[in-house]
Amino acid sequence: KAGVTQTPRYLIKTRGQQVTLSCSPISGHRSVSWYQQTPGQGLQFLFEYFSETQRNKGNFPGRFSGRQFSNSRSEMNVSTLELGDSALYLCASSLKAGVADTQYFGPGTRLTVL
Amino acid sequence: DAKTTQPPSMDCAEGRAANLPCNHSTISGNEYVYWYRQIHSQGPQYIIHGLKNNETNEMASLIITEDRKSSTLILPHATLRDTAVYYCIVRVDSAGGGADGLTFGKGTHLIIQP
Repeated sequence: KAGVTQTPRYLIKTRGQQVTLSCSPISGHRSVSWYQQTPGQGLQFLFEYFSETQRNKGNFPGRFSGRQFSNSRSEMNVSTLELGDSALYLCASSLKAGVADTQYFGPGTRLTVL
Repeated sequence: DAKTTQPPSMDCAEGRAANLPCNHSTISGNEYVYWYRQIHSQGPQYIIHGLKNNETNEMASLIITEDRKSSTLILPHATLRDTAVYYCIVRVDSAGGGADGLTFGKGTHLIIQP
């Protein structure tokens, strides 16, 4: 079974631009969560989607948004990029939501904002 | 979710068992203990999880104390490829209530020495 895939793997943008990242979960998984990882803040939860609905959201500004499609694939969007948005963005999928279900992570998208 | 305490770093000789401790003294009855690891610049990898009983899989063993206030992850025969940051997480079973996503602390940087 294929793992979680994320595209693109690397991205360079400039301040003020917007970016869209994509995540394809493991086949059969319906929950997708997004995380931001930086050296200073560690891994921080952005949001979780299940059956095309956002179930939970972390403490990030409204510039960070996401969506999930009927095939469980998910995208996250960051508008008006800031230098501090440079990070590794990780997507994780799990079979279920709302329970202590195991999350499987993708390789991440490394975003650099110049 | 309860917080965890882990040593910042540990060394282990290749071929020996690596024992990684984790304290979670404020864990509540419905919280699971999860272990993940992250090799530099890759997504976190699920290792094992448990609630009360000791658990074993092809990667590792998880020993949870009877009072559930601490646990130990055991890699039985460490290899150089096991060098990574290991995260111990306690996660609430939030059926119906929504989870806040995984919260990773600083973890333990395990270095396997040849």
